Amino acid sequence: EAGVTQFPSHSVIEKGQTVTLRCDPISGHDNLYWYRRVMGKEIKFLLHFVKESKQDESGMPNNRFLAERTGGTYSTLKVQPAELEDSGVYFCASSQERLGSGNTIYFGEGSWLTVV
Amino acid sequence: DAKTTQPPSMDCAEGRAANLPCNHSTISGNEYVYWYRQIHSQGPQYIIHGLKNNETNEMASLIITEDRKSSTLILPHATLRDTAVYYCIVRAPNTDKLIFGTGTRLQVFP
Repeated sequence: EAGVTQFPSHSVIEKGQTVTLRCDPISGHDNLYWYRRVMGKEIKFLLHFVKESKQDESGMPNNRFLAERTGGTYSTLKVQPAELEDSGVYFCASSQERLGSGNTIYFGEGSWLTVV
Repeated sequence: DAKTTQPPSMDCAEGRAANLPCNHSTISGNEYVYWYRQIHSQGPQYIIHGLKNNETNEMASLIITEDRKSSTLILPHATLRDTAVYYCIVRAPNTDKLIFGTGTRLQVFP
């Protein structure tokens, strides 16, 4: 069974450009999460989808970030326009059930974003 | 939000048990403790999680104190491939948000 897959694995863009990161969760997982680690910081939660609905987007840093999950399958995270401080690694994760019952989430390998 | 505290780094000889402590004194009564690790620049890898009782799987054992204020992850026979940053994580109450700390950098040496 395939794990959480993310694309691209690495991206280098100029400040002001747009980047779209894609995440394919584990098949059958209704819950999809985005996390990120920016330089020198801890891994931080961005948002959580249940199927196609945003359940919690409290971690989204600002309105330059837009996450979608049309059809409740894969998700995209768009950064527009990108700023230097957006550089870091963006992790996607998924789970079959929500975490309240002690379920586990599984992470992808991450998408490394460098804004120059 | 509940937080965890871990030593920044630890060393362990190959073949010996690695015991990684974690303090989570503010954890809520019904919150699980999760352990993940990050090897080099890969994504966080799930290891184990528990609520009250000790847990064991093919990767590790998790010992949770009776008052639930701390726990210890045990890698029974550490190998060089276990060199990684280990995160003890709790969930923000009533959310699906995992709170990562700074983790413990475990170095396994020959």
